[in-house]
Amino acid sequence: DAKTTQPPSMDCAEGRAANLPCNHSTISGNEYVYWYRQIHSQGPQYIIHGLKNNETNEMASLIITEDRKSSTLILPHATLRDTAVYYCIVLGSAGSARQLTFGSGTQLTVLP
Amino acid sequence: GAVVSQHPSRVICKSGTSVKIECRSLDFQATTMFWYRQFPKKSLMLMATSNEGSKATYEQGVEKDKFLINHASLTLSTLTVTSAHPEDSSFYICSAGRAGAEQYFGPGTRLTVT
Repeated sequence: DAKTTQPPSMDCAEGRAANLPCNHSTISGNEYVYWYRQIHSQGPQYIIHGLKNNETNEMASLIITEDRKSSTLILPHATLRDTAVYYCIVLGSAGSARQLTFGSGTQLTVLP
Repeated sequence: GAVVSQHPSRVICKSGTSVKIECRSLDFQATTMFWYRQFPKKSLMLMATSNEGSKATYEQGVEKDKFLINHASLTLSTLTVTSAHPEDSSFYICSAGRAGAEQYFGPGTRLTVT
């Protein structure tokens, strides 16, 4: 699975959009981009995933560049409860039969 | 989303004793479950892959005789930390998945060995 690079930390004002970048320059054509987050002392929570097209669900939007070498997770209206570590993970297939390799992630702090 | 539970959520045990942690998928059958360990301010590290009806696959550096994994049914996997030592104190997290769907994580178990 391709390696990912994320900034270690970011701040965001409550109510504003939080844009979390992820670089995955070695991603191959059949690899998916997954995003999970981990609120302090809890298990990780699935957010969204995509292959080529942009994706949106009730939690967030995922924007993948055309060359697929980077992506951005967007939380449109961040709240204090969105403070968490966000992990960008590249996985060789959709579905969960394979273990996830967690990098360092981005600590997002939403400020009041 | 699917629900994965863990029990207990917190446990304190004395050095030398054994502790069992349960991981259950509540609303789906999971042929594969994963066990992770997380030290303070660190990321999750995979310990082992648990397959229903067969032996677990351990990551390099994880002692299989110390961390016993049993996946006796499609909804239950257990991790037993044997002869626990203070350095085993950590946050243990399981996850469960099924083909074609996302992987779901349990809430974690905080183990403290005194």
